Amino acid sequence: KAGVTQTPRYLIKTRGQQVTLSCSPISGHRSVSWYQQTPGQGLQFLFEYFSETQRNKGNFPGRFSGRQFSNSRSEMNVSTLELGDSALYLCASSLSLGVNYGYTFGSGTRLTVV
Amino acid sequence: KQEVTQIPAALSVPEGENLVLNCSFTDSAIYNLQWFRQDPGKGLTSLLLIQSSQREQTSGRLNASLDKSSGRSTLYIAASQPGDSATYLCAVPAGNQFYFGTGTSLTVIP
Repeated sequence: KAGVTQTPRYLIKTRGQQVTLSCSPISGHRSVSWYQQTPGQGLQFLFEYFSETQRNKGNFPGRFSGRQFSNSRSEMNVSTLELGDSALYLCASSLSLGVNYGYTFGSGTRLTVV
Repeated sequence: KQEVTQIPAALSVPEGENLVLNCSFTDSAIYNLQWFRQDPGKGLTSLLLIQSSQREQTSGRLNASLDKSSGRSTLYIAASQPGDSATYLCAVPAGNQFYFGTGTSLTVIP
């Protein structure tokens, strides 16, 4: 079966711009979580969506937002990009809300802010 | 907040050797623990998910154990191969998110 699909794989944006990343979960998975990975901070939780509602949020500024559609696909948006937003953004899908079922990750979107 | 530590940070072994990667966590009230592999610049590949009721999980040459009471998990890799070279991360849940260790970078030398 198809895995978690993230698009695009690579992005280069200019400081101050905004960007939208997309994540399609495994068929039947209803929860999508987003993580940011940087060399300095490692993997940090951004937010989790389930049934089109944000259920949990990490410690990131309001410039980071997301949404989930009725087919469980999710988008993440970062506005007013800063150099420090350069990172690998990973989404993970899970059967249901919470951490009981484990995660399946996508290949990530590499965002570079110049 | 859950704190996750992985030791060693880096490991280099000759091909064929058996090896153990360690993961420790501070809050033992966990539902499960998951081990991942990450190749450079790529996403995370799930290796093993151990539920809190289990003590071990095996997949091929990989065996993961979980000791909740001591806040530890180990990933055992048997007969290592150059293709095993990657960063290995453990993930421990707390609240409604996973907390990740900083990983062990493994190099298997042919």
